[in-house]
Amino acid sequence: AQTIHQWPVAEIKAVGSPLSLGCTIKGKSSPNLYWYWQATGGTLQQLFYSITVGQVESVVQLNLSASRPKDDQFILSTEKLLLSHSGFYLCAWSLRSGQNTLYFGAGTRLSVL
Amino acid sequence: QEKVQQSPESLIVPEGAMVSLNCSFSDSASQSIWWYQQHPGKGPKALISIFSNGNKKEGRLTVYLNRASLHVSLHIKDSQPSDSAVYLCAVSMPDTGANTGKLTFGHGTILRVHP
Repeated sequence: AQTIHQWPVAEIKAVGSPLSLGCTIKGKSSPNLYWYWQATGGTLQQLFYSITVGQVESVVQLNLSASRPKDDQFILSTEKLLLSHSGFYLCAWSLRSGQNTLYFGAGTRLSVL
Repeated sequence: QEKVQQSPESLIVPEGAMVSLNCSFSDSASQSIWWYQQHPGKGPKALISIFSNGNKKEGRLTVYLNRASLHVSLHIKDSQPSDSAVYLCAVSMPDTGANTGKLTFGHGTILRVHP
């Protein structure tokens, strides 16, 4: 069975501080990986996607970056947090091709103060 | 850009009631439409999807898609208190380039089923 693990569960960070969020998928080889973000009261929106190791595409510009250092790992980061970065960050995976279902992790709640 | 509108914003029903949720989308080139369930503080969980015009049934869930009117609905039969959650409608575009794995979500409908 496939599992998706996100860390940390929650973060409280100061404006201007760095951030690193992680996601690991087990039990599925070479999945497509995604980062989604949900601002408080807002809709879920896709931030990044990756179809292979080392390749990440940006969908929305939010002064964030993403990397895929291993087939089963996806990292979201920034060197300087903004207040507007607060929200709920979700990692997801899908099969390689076609209109496949997205499977989401449990998410990371980020509060920037 | 695809827009997804859901109604109602919230719904309270007694246990055992039939629940009907609505979703309108803006782009006729939309591919599949998914319904996700999201409990507070958790990630969304896929419930059911539909691609072709018509209806699809899985257990207590039935989804209806009308591409001509750009409308999809989800019906939950015999609702249970455990069905209480936010229901998200999500629409996909052809899976190419920047649309890879991209779902456009609505704001959701908050459902509460009371015993």
